[in-house]
Amino acid sequence: DVKVTQSSRYLVKRTGEKVFLECVQDMDHENMFWYRQDPGLGLRLIYFSYDVKMKEKGDIPEGYSVSREKKERFSLILESASTNQTSMYLCASSWGLAGSTDTQYFGPGTRLTVL
Amino acid sequence: AQSVTQLDSHVSVSEGTPVLLRCNYSSSYSPSLFWYVQHPNKGLQLLLKYTSAATLVKGINGFEAEFKKSETSFHLTKPSAHMSDAAEYFCVVSEETSYDKVIFGPGTSLSVIP
Repeated sequence: DVKVTQSSRYLVKRTGEKVFLECVQDMDHENMFWYRQDPGLGLRLIYFSYDVKMKEKGDIPEGYSVSREKKERFSLILESASTNQTSMYLCASSWGLAGSTDTQYFGPGTRLTVL
Repeated sequence: AQSVTQLDSHVSVSEGTPVLLRCNYSSSYSPSLFWYVQHPNKGLQLLLKYTSAATLVKGINGFEAEFKKSETSFHLTKPSAHMSDAAEYFCVVSEETSYDKVIFGPGTSLSVIP
């Protein structure tokens, strides 16, 4: 079974702090994704990566950056956290590209609260 | 441009009765369509997907969906609801044209009444 793990289930940070969210997948998938999930809005793509050290902006990249130094690990960074970044963050991985027919496998999510 | 509409934000059914969760999409190309389920405090899990093969797609846990091109719909059904079906359901459209063409619907919350 594919396993996608996220470093924290719940996180509370203060405005202006630098925040790191970590995601690890164990299936040698090429592609990894970061989404945020907000009620009534579904999932929105923040960034994705199709290879080590490669990244592409999604729909809402502002205020975020990412890092993929190893194939299995994809990090989301909030350079200076703000209250409007309070949300559920979901990591996913897949064999195929974001626009392909391949299934995405999701981690359990990190619920981030910024005070 | 792609878009996904889930017509009901919340659906409530009695245990043992049929489930219908509605999804309409728009797409410039031949789309792939997915349904994902999210149980409370869990990540999303694939229920089923349509990729231009059979229009009636069977998924896990007794769910199925029918792709109707003329109606641009991909509704999710199950003949008999179980308590464990209570969850959030997302309809997703994807196009094989570029990296960022995956659109999630806003979700439908399914409640199952004993």
